[in-house]
Order: sequence, then C-alpha cells, then structure tokens
Amino acid sequence: EAQVTQNPRYLITVTGKKLTVTCSQNMNHEYMSWYRQDPGLGLRQIYYSMNVEVTDKGDVPEGYKVSRKEKRNFPLILESPSPNQTSLYFCASSFAGANYGYTFGSGTRLTVV
Amino acid sequence: EDQVTQSPEALRLQEGESSSLNCSYTVSGLRGLFWYRQDPGKGPEFLFTLYSAGEEKEKERLKATLTKKESFLHITAPKPEDSATYLCAVQEGGGSYIPTFGRGTSLIVHP
Repeated sequence: EAQVTQNPRYLITVTGKKLTVTCSQNMNHEYMSWYRQDPGLGLRQIYYSMNVEVTDKGDVPEGYKVSRKEKRNFPLILESPSPNQTSLYFCASSFAGANYGYTFGSGTRLTVV
Repeated sequence: EDQVTQSPEALRLQEGESSSLNCSYTVSGLRGLFWYRQDPGKGPEFLFTLYSAGEEKEKERLKATLTKKESFLHITAPKPEDSATYLCAVQEGGGSYIPTFGRGTSLIVHP
C-alpha cells in the first residue's frame, strides 16, 4: 500500500530532551515536507526537501532540523524541545513538479512538558 | 497577510442542504490550487488540483471551481459522512513547488 509512515504517533517528552520523529514513504516521491498544525493557525510548513541532500526552511523552522540522506526517509529532529513545540506534526510527500497533491502521514502528536 | 484565506471558518448544514466553501488567494502567478479533506486526528487527504481560471473538477458530491482570485468547493446534497475540515492550498509560480495552506473550513452535516 502506498503510504507515508510517521513514528511515533504519540510522544510526551520533557523540555530539552532531544527527539527524532521519523518519516518514510514508499512511493518514490522526490518531494517531502514537514508541517505542524495548531488550533486556529492551520498547517504551517517547517522544512521541505526537493530531493536527496536538498532541504530548505519553511515558514517556522526555528528549533527544528531535518536531513534527507535517502529518498524515502525525512526525519524531523528537535535538538532541545520546548513547550511551544507541543503540536500535531505531519509529514507529506509528492512527485516532483507542479500540481501534484501531497500524500500525508497519519500525524505525530507531540507534547513537551 | 495570509496568502490563502478560507471562509467560513465553520459551517453547519442539514443533510441535503447544498452550500459552498470559499478559498481566496493573493499569490501572483498561481501554479496550482489544491483542495484537501481532513478528518479529526488524521492527515489531510488530497481531493483536487485546479490549474487555471474556469477549470472545474468533480468527485461524488463535491465540485471545485477556480477563478483568478478564488476557488469554491460546492457540496451538493451533503451527507453526514461529508463532515470534515476542508483545506485549500496554493502553489505560487516562480517559487518552490511547496504549497501554502489556508486555515480550513470545518464542516458539520447534521442528519
């Protein structure tokens, strides 16, 4: 089944403890992206990648890191999480070029206390 | 200023009561406009892409239309299972191929 897989689905952590949210897609998509979704603010882009070793900042990149060493994987790293990073996170992927719709993962609900 | 504005924020309909959701955008040189459906606790699900003014796409009870400044998602004779948040996103010409999302319209259809 074609899908984007995120892990974990739920995570509660403490301030300052480094964490990684994994994202993997099996559709050979070139583009991958991370979004966070907060009530009243909608989906905001954190980072995106247009291909292996090509990444760029989105609208809200502060406090996050990403890497794209393989085409299928695009992990999101929080080096020192803070409570304002408590959110619902989505990974998404699509084929290259204009006008392809994204396939989204099921989401990771992160709580930082 | 938001590049993508959706209205209304929330909409309640009775089953069978047709209506429209609006997505207005201010990007220059639209490359593509997307509609997604999102159920609570799940990732958005792709519905349509519209490329140019005058274009229309249909899927079951949903029809999306596009003008130079806005898009409408028309819902005909909705059913309770159409209840969801509907998201609009745009790709701007000349930039990356990464879409910018609106904040969505939450639709509830009562039986």
